[in-house]
Amino acid sequence: AQSVTQLGSHVSVSEGALVLLRCNYSSSVPPYLFWYVQYPNQGLQLLLKYTTGATLVKGINGFEAEFKKSETSFHLTKPSAHMSDAAEYFCAVTLNTGFQKLVFGTGTRLLVSP
Amino acid sequence: DGGITQSPKYLFRKEGQNVTLSCEQNLNHDAMYWYRQDPGQGLRLIYYSQIVNDFQKGDIAEGYSVSREKKESFPLTVTSAQKNPTAFYLCASSMGTPLQFFGPGTRLTVL
Repeated sequence: AQSVTQLGSHVSVSEGALVLLRCNYSSSVPPYLFWYVQYPNQGLQLLLKYTTGATLVKGINGFEAEFKKSETSFHLTKPSAHMSDAAEYFCAVTLNTGFQKLVFGTGTRLLVSP
Repeated sequence: DGGITQSPKYLFRKEGQNVTLSCEQNLNHDAMYWYRQDPGQGLRLIYYSQIVNDFQKGDIAEGYSVSREKKESFPLTVTSAQKNPTAFYLCASSMGTPLQFFGPGTRLTVL
């Protein structure tokens, strides 16, 4: 069965610093991969997704992620953190066959200090 | 605007009571989902429905029930059998792809 591991329940960065949120997955078939962002007491908003094709995926708000099959990773990065990036981030995976249920990681809370 | 609405935003329940959470979508999506979110545990799937009048249990269905009588509506009932119902509940929908769109959530608190 597929699963998702997000290393680090909390990540702290300074404003302007590089953001790196880690996501590793396990899947026996090529996966679809997603990053969602959640602000306090709100639903999840899609940041970006990988389905097929280009392995470097650009999303909203300056975020991007790279699918690395050999490392089974889909890490999320942003070159320069902004205070408004403070939120919880979830990585999710699904199989690209059959009815697609999402399996979520446990989330990483990003803290941005001035 | 197309989207998913959930109501109420906050809900308080006394022990032993059943409560129903509403989820409505006007995206014309076939599939709908209910998730439960607890701190540090990510999202866990409660129930999902691929088409009207059909639904399947997710990973943590015990103590919950759903119905899918209309394409746009997928209400979730939290029954008294659910021993720890305090959580944030999220509804989502999708249309033929893995991409799910989420509603704003309902926070349920048991008093």
